[in-house]
Amino acid sequence: ILNVEQSPQSLHVQEGDSTNFTCSFPSSNFYALHWYRWETAKSPEALFVMTLNGDEKKKGRISATLNTKEGYSYLYIKGSQPEDSATYLCAPTGGGSYIPTFGRGTSLIVHP
Amino acid sequence: DTEVTQTPKHLVMGMTNKKSLKCEQHMGHRAMYWYKQKAKKPPELMFVYSYEKLSINESVPSRFSPECPNSSLLNLHLHALQPEDSALYLCASSQEFSAANGYTFGSGTRLTVV
Repeated sequence: ILNVEQSPQSLHVQEGDSTNFTCSFPSSNFYALHWYRWETAKSPEALFVMTLNGDEKKKGRISATLNTKEGYSYLYIKGSQPEDSATYLCAPTGGGSYIPTFGRGTSLIVHP
Repeated sequence: DTEVTQTPKHLVMGMTNKKSLKCEQHMGHRAMYWYKQKAKKPPELMFVYSYEKLSINESVPSRFSPECPNSSLLNLHLHALQPEDSALYLCASSQEFSAANGYTFGSGTRLTVV
């Protein structure tokens, strides 16, 4: 089981603000990193699966970067909207396993 | 169909009951997973099935018994549970065990053991 840290634990922003949060993980034997968005009472939804150092992926106003050498990934949300309110989970895989280990998540609340 | 369907959504059971959770997907995914999630904690892996065979059992107590009758269906049989087993049980699937496109999750079964 990997040691996965996500920060901050929770975040309150105003509509229109841009925000970012961090996922840290062991850099050795890295295979892939998953990001999920989990809205209350819904299913976790896959946002990105990233594998290459320096990779950057984008989906609408959400983007993510990956640094496998130092073991971190950033998730950015540009111009946050109330519908972005959710818990964002990162889940790296590594250490010889394809199975991702989930972090505790960052809870984002966007106020209108 | 791009969904994973879990039933029931809520379940209350006594410690002497036997019940089953059901998970279904019709995306042709060959790997299926059971996760347990307690409040304020990350999802914890319980079992992995790959091509209908149990690949991983994360030292889960025998009162939880998984079953994969076919490539679309995953069950979790529950017997003699304890109150501390109360949690959200999530099912997920992926195209292959390597999950290169990530997991598709169901919305979970909220289990309460009384």
